[in-house]
Amino acid sequence: QLVLTQSPSASASLGASVTLTCTLSSGHSSYAIAWHQQQPEKGPRYLMKLNSDGSHGKGDGIPDRFSGSSSGAERYLTISSLQSEDEADYYCQTWGTGIQVFGGGTKLTVL
Amino acid sequence: VQLVESGGGVVQPGKSLRLSCAASGFIFSNYVMHWVRQTPGKGPEWVAAIWYDGDNRYYADSVKGRFTISRDNSKNTVYLQMNSLRAEDTAVYYCARSFGRWDGFDIWGQGTMVTVSS
Repeated sequence: QLVLTQSPSASASLGASVTLTCTLSSGHSSYAIAWHQQQPEKGPRYLMKLNSDGSHGKGDGIPDRFSGSSSGAERYLTISSLQSEDEADYYCQTWGTGIQVFGGGTKLTVL
Repeated sequence: VQLVESGGGVVQPGKSLRLSCAASGFIFSNYVMHWVRQTPGKGPEWVAAIWYDGDNRYYADSVKGRFTISRDNSKNTVYLQMNSLRAEDTAVYYCARSFGRWDGFDIWGQGTMVTVSS
């Protein structure tokens, strides 16, 4: 079964860096994912598509502070030089034939 | 590039509702369109997808047989007909697009709220 697992929460200080993790279920380590940001009271916003080899393509207007990487079944989103507007929920998404799956999300708090 | 949903509201259990999503700023027929819903504090849940010219449609098990996705490429609009609504269908409904048949979403709408309550 295709499942994505995310830690419920993360925190980091203003100006620091933070890495969020999304883990693919067993047998699905070759799958690409997408990262989305959802600020309070807003719809999700596409950040990037991240392949199993770590290559990624970002959405229009996404700052260079956002980057992605991969290792095995884990997909990472790193945000550097944290700003207050980065405080949001972050969701990963993956897909297969006939299905789209989302992780439970990580709530990022900027201290 | 924009997606704008409409048609949400309060509806009684067992009744029907139709959502619309108007697209602009891109060649609508080049994209697969999706409906996704989200309840407060939870992650998004994919609901349905429709391919470029509408000849293939896919549904989550939770809505299969009750919801129907359709599109009108001449109007750049995708629809979600929701029948036999249940309390558990209460959510914010978003439309989204993907370039590939099974691919990530690169544009989302702002959402429309559906509340199923007596």
